[in-house]
Parts: sequence; structure tokens; C-alpha cells
Amino acid sequence: NAGVTQTPKFQVLKTGQSMTLQCAQDMNHNSMYWYRQDPGMGLRLIYYSASEGTTDKGEVPNGYNVSRLNKREFSLRLESAAPSQTSVYFCASSEVEAELFFGSGTQLSVL
Amino acid sequence: GESVGLHLPTLSVQEGDNSIINCAYSNSASDYFIWYKQESGKGPQFIIDIRSNMDKRQGQRVTVLLNKTVKHLSLQIAATQPGDSAVYFCVGGSYIPTFGRGTSLIVHP
Repeated sequence: NAGVTQTPKFQVLKTGQSMTLQCAQDMNHNSMYWYRQDPGMGLRLIYYSASEGTTDKGEVPNGYNVSRLNKREFSLRLESAAPSQTSVYFCASSEVEAELFFGSGTQLSVL
Repeated sequence: GESVGLHLPTLSVQEGDNSIINCAYSNSASDYFIWYKQESGKGPQFIIDIRSNMDKRQGQRVTVLLNKTVKHLSLQIAATQPGDSAVYFCVGGSYIPTFGRGTSLIVHP
């Protein structure tokens, strides 16, 4: 039982490049989330998906797109990476309100 | 949604002491709060929760106190150990949880 799996763990991009962060959960949870964490800023919600087939913007959605591919998978795409998107990205899933299970994170650097 | 905030960005304690991490909230309608622990290099992890119909809840070495009159909750860690060093978040019950900045607990040996 892996819980929430994120790939890749580390990534370096050049400004303007695109990439997709992958997330999968094996707990049959309905809700999934993408957060970013910057030093001194806590975790900020980028997008979330309350159920398969739905996605909604969070606090900081600009520059990102998401896809809820199926109940298990929720991906985050950066179409044209910018240095301001250098951050640690966490995916999470939940079934009970506010009780989230997090992945181990993706450390992204945009040069 | 629920607005919660932690009082101190950093708390330093000696190993073996008790630690108290505080949190205030603004929405009296919230009926559920969760404490998370985030160790360095990892995602946040659920520690303990408390419902609004409770004043106190105990886990293993941790106790949550909820004071609805002043909209305040605290996480108490007994006999703090180096492994307790982490960032702690209090989160109000919501399907769109807000984490805030957290309190960094530093345990000195």
C-alpha cells in the first residue's frame, strides 16, 4: 500500500520549458490536491479535485493546469516554467474533510 | 473557509521538556481541527484531530486542547524528543484545507 506517489522527486527546468508532475493514490479517495511550499510561506493550494471529472482553482493557480485523469491520478502541468515557480510541490488526497494524505514532494528548480 | 493561524513561527525547547504549540481560529462554525507534523524533506502527516464537541483529546505523548470561548487550540507534546523537531500546522475542518505558515519546533539535545 504505497499511499500517495509523486514523480519525479527532483526536476530542473529552464525558463520556458514545460513539464508535468504526476501523482497517484491507491486509497480510493475522492478528493485530490496540489500544493506548493515556499520558504516561510507555508503550503498554498494550487488546484484541487473534489471528485473524478472535476477540478477547481485554489489560491495560486496562475501558470498551472491540472488533469484528473481518473480516480487515482491527478497531474499538474507547467506549460511555460518561470523562476517564480521554483518550489516544492506536494500532492495529497483525502476522503474525510481536512484529513489529507501527502506524497513525499517534488523539488522543482526553474533556472 | 476556516481561517487558522499559529502564534509563533519558531519554538525552541530542550529535550525532555514539554512543548506547547498554539493556534487561533476565526470561524466559530468549524467543527473539526487537525494537527499535522511535517518533518524535513517530507510531506505533512496527520497527528491528531479534535471535534468541537470536545475540549481535550489525548494521543500518544500529544494532547490537543480546544477553547471555543476564545477560539484557541493548542498541541501539547510531553517529554519532547529530537524526533519531534518539525513544522506543525493546525488546520480547520474543510474539504479545501488551508495550512498557513506553521510553527517550527526545534528540540535541543
